[in-house]
Amino acid sequence: DIQVTQSPSSLSASIGDRVTITCQVSQAVTNYINWYQQKPGKAPQVLIYETSNLEDGVSSRFSASGSETLYTFSISNVQPEDIGTYYCQQYKTVPISFGQGTRLEIK
Amino acid sequence: EVQILDSGGGFVRPGGSRRLSCAASGFIFNYYAMNWFRQAPNKGLEWVSTISKAGDQTFYADSVKGRFIMSRDNSNNMVYLRLSALRVEDTATYFCSRTGHGAYGPWSQGTLVTVSS
Repeated sequence: DIQVTQSPSSLSASIGDRVTITCQVSQAVTNYINWYQQKPGKAPQVLIYETSNLEDGVSSRFSASGSETLYTFSISNVQPEDIGTYYCQQYKTVPISFGQGTRLEIK
Repeated sequence: EVQILDSGGGFVRPGGSRRLSCAASGFIFNYYAMNWFRQAPNKGLEWVSTISKAGDQTFYADSVKGRFIMSRDNSNNMVYLRLSALRVEDTATYFCSRTGHGAYGPWSQGTLVTVSS
């Protein structure tokens, strides 16, 4: 099974900041990494698919990159509506696995 | 508009059973694999099961293998998850989602299954 290690577990940012989240996977996943946002009490929504592709309708303030075993996700110009928990997901092999999540709060 | 709506959650005693349903609309259903995920209270996301487009292949997390059965009805655009031999640790909100262009979404709103004595 592929293990996904996401960091940090929480972030506190000011409006306008840029923040970055990292996911390390235990073996190469050939860019099969997605990033999701989950707002409190809601279902997750995909923001980025296949490492770096922005989902339709998602703000260009979100971006991601990576290869092999290390992947990063960034939010530029953090806004109040970005509050929530962010997850990376590998889907190269079953079992599909997620990182532990990063909770973003606004200072 | 693509819509995925789940139902069937509720309170169950340990060892009991429950069937979750997921209704899809707004897309050609049999073109897509479908999935169930779950999230225990205040915990992270966990993949539960995936079913192929035709329904002839299913995949399960080790934590539910042998206890949960995923199925689909392509005539009625429905997906099901039969939960059996339920344990307290199966308590979670269960989400249904479509396998899209490399991403999983949209997701249903979530249905809560509570297993408790």
